[in-house]
Amino acid sequence: QVQLVQSGAEVKKPGSSVKVSCKASGGTFSSYAISWVRQAPGQGLEWMGGIIPIFGTANYAQKFQGRVTITADESTSTAYMELSSLRSEDTAVYYCARELESNYDILTGVFDPWGQGTLVTVSS
Amino acid sequence: VIWMTQSPSLLSASTGDRVTISCRMSQGISSYLAWYQQKPGKAPELLIYAASTLQSGVPSRFSGSGSGTDFTLTISCLQSEDFATYYCQQYYSFPWTFGQGTKVEIK
Repeated sequence: QVQLVQSGAEVKKPGSSVKVSCKASGGTFSSYAISWVRQAPGQGLEWMGGIIPIFGTANYAQKFQGRVTITADESTSTAYMELSSLRSEDTAVYYCARELESNYDILTGVFDPWGQGTLVTVSS
Repeated sequence: VIWMTQSPSLLSASTGDRVTISCRMSQGISSYLAWYQQKPGKAPELLIYAASTLQSGVPSRFSGSGSGTDFTLTISCLQSEDFATYYCQQYYSFPWTFGQGTKVEIK
């Protein structure tokens, strides 16, 4: 049973960057894509991008292109999401989620399981 | 971007009720649709994918139907643990998008 454990809550100043980690245990890491999804307080879910660790190339939602970097370290079974130029609207819970199925180098888009979430607060 | 209209946004129901949630797409997505349940303070959990395939371990009172642009999630006999918020999600084309959510509350 795969488990995803994320790093702890962060408080950041506007204009700075944040890097959230997501460590997988109990299953195969490298061939299953990891995506990042965020949820602003009281709002819905928003997909930011994903990566297949064994290939290392990330796919990003255009909204976040240029501001987000998703990476993965196969040696530690850990995925990372770094978001730069933070603004107050980036205050949200950030989730990592592994894809249910592996399809070579294609992100398949169905998420199970999810990490527990990391609250990122952007405030001056 | 594929836009999704999920309805209703709030649904008041009683234990034992049959409830349906609708998700309509701005363009056809074949059957590339998933449903998630989210409880307060928790991560979403996958219920259904490929529009109608029940995820392992999910109770059979949950079912999904539809294809193209119109999809439905049905809970046949609402249980106390089903009071939560439900999201549809399309994975037909990037960026993957989610509906606005339907909160199922106790009547």
